[in-house]
Amino acid sequence: AQSVAQPEDQVNVAEGNPLTVKCTYSVSGNPYLFWYVQYPNRGLQFLLKYITGDNLVKGSYGFEAEFNKSQTSFHLKKPSALVSDSALYFCAVRRGSYNTDKLIFGTGTRLQVFP
Amino acid sequence: EAQVTQNPRYLITVTGKKLTVTCSQNMNHEYMSWYRQDPGLGLRQIYYSMNVEVTDKGDVPEGYKVSRKEKRNFPLILESPSPNQTSLYFCASSLFVVGSGANVLTFGAGSRLTVL
Repeated sequence: AQSVAQPEDQVNVAEGNPLTVKCTYSVSGNPYLFWYVQYPNRGLQFLLKYITGDNLVKGSYGFEAEFNKSQTSFHLKKPSALVSDSALYFCAVRRGSYNTDKLIFGTGTRLQVFP
Repeated sequence: EAQVTQNPRYLITVTGKKLTVTCSQNMNHEYMSWYRQDPGLGLRQIYYSMNVEVTDKGDVPEGYKVSRKEKRNFPLILESPSPNQTSLYFCASSLFVVGSGANVLTFGAGSRLTVL
């Protein structure tokens, strides 16, 4: 069964330092992977996705994610964190057949960037 | 502005009093879905719709109903709300391209529901 795990409830990082938010997945077949971000009192916003091709995917707001097939991971990264990056981050994986477009979301990781 | 609009944003109600949370999108999206967000559980899908008059259950459909009479609207109905339905609800929509499997969801701002 398809699933996605975010092993850290919270990640703390100082402004200017690199950040990583971890995600591992379990799917049958080729994975379609996503990252979404939720700012306070807002809905989720799309950051980036991996379908196929280059293992390093670039997205919005300077974020990128690295797909690692052997480790079944899709970690979100940013070279230099900003206080404004503080938010709740969700990893998601598509499940089911190609014509159902259903996503499984992880439990979320709260990123706190300190000045 | 392309958006998904949910109403109400906040609602406190009592057990058993029927309520409807509306969802409307202005992007001509085929696919629409309802999620609930609970601490430690992430987002769980309640119902989804592939197009007008086509709806299906998600992971946690019990206690909820939906309808899709028009492409733009996808209301969530709680016929007899109970306290375990206290949650943050999100509506989302996307284009649906058969064979893509990677369509991006646009989310509403959320509706926080409290059932006493």
